[in-house]
Amino acid sequence: GQQVMQIPQYQHVQEGEDFTTYCNSSTTLSNIQWYKQRPGGHPVFLIQLVKSGEVKKQKRLTFQFGEAKKNSSLHITATQTTDVGTYFCAYRGGGSNYKLTFGKGTLLTVNP
Amino acid sequence: DTAVSQTPKYLVTQMGNDKSIKCEQNLGHDTMYWYKQDSKKFLKIMFSYNNKELIINETVPNRFSPKSPDKAHLNLHINSLELGDSAVYFCASSQLGGLYNEQFFGPGTRLTVL
Repeated sequence: GQQVMQIPQYQHVQEGEDFTTYCNSSTTLSNIQWYKQRPGGHPVFLIQLVKSGEVKKQKRLTFQFGEAKKNSSLHITATQTTDVGTYFCAYRGGGSNYKLTFGKGTLLTVNP
Repeated sequence: DTAVSQTPKYLVTQMGNDKSIKCEQNLGHDTMYWYKQDSKKFLKIMFSYNNKELIINETVPNRFSPKSPDKAHLNLHINSLELGDSAVYFCASSQLGGLYNEQFFGPGTRLTVL
């Protein structure tokens, strides 16, 4: 079935450095969602993208949906220790398919 | 007020036992889900109920049986627990047809089977 590949699996940065995680699909996605899970915590919704080429910003976080709607990225500018966690992309099937399928996530660690 | 709550938070039990995990949401959502997160952090949908009706039933052993007494509650019963069932189980809820269809997750239940 349709899958999304997330890269990298792990990323370790120094505080203040930028970070990007990518989510790639072999088929067109109707939407993409991003979630953050802090260590020991639960996934928390960050954003949803639905339009081709869409770019959304939340403070230091920038989310993009590719023109072909086959890839998405999450970029964090000037990371802080509070950014530590696993970032997941997820997509929901179209129509009556309510299933949310998650990528395997990117674990971000930040050295203070 | 906790939006999505689960009990218990931790569950340690012996192989072969039967156990239940409870979930409640006070968001007024019409859809609830059970996810399993393994040691590699992979999140996999198991079941989903919409207004008490099962709408997603992934390939999960028959030992797992969800029950939704009403749309605010979704419980998960597991029979004859096996070592491989050890994982964190997350309950989630959403409102289908909403602007984002975002899912709200509970705090998780860490199940350890010895």
